[in-house]
Amino acid sequence: DVKVTQSSRYLVKRTGEKVFLECVQDMDHENMFWYRQDPGLGLRLIYFSYDVKMKEKGDIPEGYSVSREKKERFSLILESASTNQTSMYLCASRANRGRIGEHYTFGSGTRLTVV
Amino acid sequence: GQQLNQSPQSMFIQEGEDVSMNCTSSSIFNTWLWYKQDPGEGPVLLIALYKAGELTSNGRLTAQFGITRKDSFLNISASIPSDVGIYFCAGQYAGTSGSRLTFGEGTQLTVNP
Repeated sequence: DVKVTQSSRYLVKRTGEKVFLECVQDMDHENMFWYRQDPGLGLRLIYFSYDVKMKEKGDIPEGYSVSREKKERFSLILESASTNQTSMYLCASRANRGRIGEHYTFGSGTRLTVV
Repeated sequence: GQQLNQSPQSMFIQEGEDVSMNCTSSSIFNTWLWYKQDPGEGPVLLIALYKAGELTSNGRLTAQFGITRKDSFLNISASIPSDVGIYFCAGQYAGTSGSRLTFGEGTQLTVNP
């Protein structure tokens, strides 16, 4: 089975800190995604990457950046964390083969609290 | 960015009851997906729909891709306590390519034994 691993389940950071959320997948998937999940708002796409060193903005990229230096790793960066970035962050990956519902796998999430 | 309108936002039901939830969009979709998220986990795919009018079942779950391509529903029959969780619809807009999905707001399901 594809595994998408997010490095931390829970994080507490202070306002203004630089925060790194790490995501690693082990099935050689080309595409990786970062979503933010908030109650009543569902999952909203922050950034995605379809290849190493490639990135595209999603629907809510403001306040975030990403890095993909290796195929298996996709990092989400909060340059200066703010309290409105307190949320659940979900990473996902997908292979280019097959139909879109196939091989689309999520990690277990990182719950970030900014105080 | 666009979001899907998913309803209801929450449901409280008794074990054994049937459940229905739906998603609508103002734009045409070429794929509809239904996911379930258990507490503390990421969403897991339940059913995928790729063709307008398609009706697909997975055990007690049944989902349909609306004929207009702007809506989808998910039914759960004879609910059991382990059905508790958040259910999301997701889709890919027609005319887009790649792997980008748009998600609904989610339906929080509670099943009382």
